[in-house]
Amino acid sequence: QMHLQESGPGMVKPSETLSLTCSVSDVTMNNSRYFWGWIRQPPGKGLEWIGSISQSGKTHYNPPLRSRVTISVDTSKSHFSLKVISVTAADTAVYFCARHLSGGSFFNQYHYMDLWGTGTTVIVSS
Amino acid sequence: SYELTQPLSVSVALGQTATISCEGDNIETKNVQWYQQKPGQAPVLVIHRDTNRPSGIPERFSGSNSGNTATLTISRAQVGDEADYYCQVWDISGFCVFGPGTAVAVL
Repeated sequence: QMHLQESGPGMVKPSETLSLTCSVSDVTMNNSRYFWGWIRQPPGKGLEWIGSISQSGKTHYNPPLRSRVTISVDTSKSHFSLKVISVTAADTAVYFCARHLSGGSFFNQYHYMDLWGTGTTVIVSS
Repeated sequence: SYELTQPLSVSVALGQTATISCEGDNIETKNVQWYQQKPGQAPVLVIHRDTNRPSGIPERFSGSNSGNTATLTISRAQVGDEADYYCQVWDISGFCVFGPGTAVAVL
């Protein structure tokens, strides 16, 4: 059964780096229509897209986070990763990984998340 | 940057029809998705590309998109439909935008 699972430390100190990995099971990562993305949700708030990466390494990042975020992929190990540097309390959230399906023409693109992990909570605190 | 607006909450009587709006500038030119999120769970895709239901999503869920408003309609609402609903589009500049979410209550 297709499955994505986030893993990583549940707590990070302010100013340090948040690192998470998403393991992908029973899903091929080598498909040009798929990106692999990260989305987060602060406590009691809505969804915020962080960024996505293709199997070839092409990335898209949310502009407000671009300077602090790196997403990488290793299809041979069936996983992709997220790093957020210089974290603050505002980075406290549930972090979801997701398969991101893309297609369409340039002026009529579609991109959506059709398969999600269960989410992992990250708290930024000293 | 592109912005989406949703009502904070929508109430619907059991068995009746709920409509959730998602407003954005000329949103009809974009492909709109809708996600359902229940407390403590990951979001679930319920509509993609304006009107398409993924496998396993009941026919009671439908979508439309015209002008500056996309709409998710839940027919014959059930208690199990209580959740937060988020619309989502892809901006041509190359990034994903979520709406702020709408909490649906079934009375």
